[in-house]
Amino acid sequence: GNSVTQMEGPVTLSEEAFLTINCTYTATGYPSLFWYVQYPGEGLQLLLKATKADDKGSNKGFEATYRKETTSFHLEKGSVQVSDSAVYFCALSGGTSYGKLTFGQGTILTVHP
Amino acid sequence: DGGITQSPKYLFRKEGQNVTLSCEQNLNHDAMYWYRQDPGQGLRLIYYSQIVNDFQKGDIAEGYSVSREKKESFPLTVTSAQKNPTAFYLCASSTSPGQGAGTEAFFGQGTRLTVV
Repeated sequence: GNSVTQMEGPVTLSEEAFLTINCTYTATGYPSLFWYVQYPGEGLQLLLKATKADDKGSNKGFEATYRKETTSFHLEKGSVQVSDSAVYFCALSGGTSYGKLTFGQGTILTVHP
Repeated sequence: DGGITQSPKYLFRKEGQNVTLSCEQNLNHDAMYWYRQDPGQGLRLIYYSQIVNDFQKGDIAEGYSVSREKKESFPLTVTSAQKNPTAFYLCASSTSPGQGAGTEAFFGQGTRLTVV
């Protein structure tokens, strides 16, 4: 079956620091990959996505590249802000479970001024 | 505005009682999902439905039931058989997989259920 593994957290950074959150996956076929963000007490919002190998998703300064050779989809941002503090989830759909999302365990990011 | 509405935002239930969580969407999406979120465990799929009058069990369906009588609605019932129901419940919807790759899900704001 499908699975997603995120780097263990939480992650604490100072404002303007560089962010990387690692994500690797296991799936058969050609899954689509997503990063979702969750602010306290709220649902999930799509941050970015990529649907095929070598695609780069980007939004609000965040980027992630679909690497099929390393089965990875790491999230990066060059300069984080306090407002980026949230929980970040890597997810995939397709492969053997097309239509359902499989999520990683989430990474809590805290950014200090 | 199009979106997914979950109600109520907070729900308290006594042990031994069934409770139903509401989820309504006006995005004209065929597929709908229920996830459970526990601290440090990410999201786990409870049930999903890809078409009206049809639904399938997810990874943790025991103690839960659903119905899909209308395209817009996918209520979740937490029954007394669910041993540990206190959690944050998220409903989502998406277009059908056959409508293209990268089928992203849109989420509601969640319902926090507490058993007292």
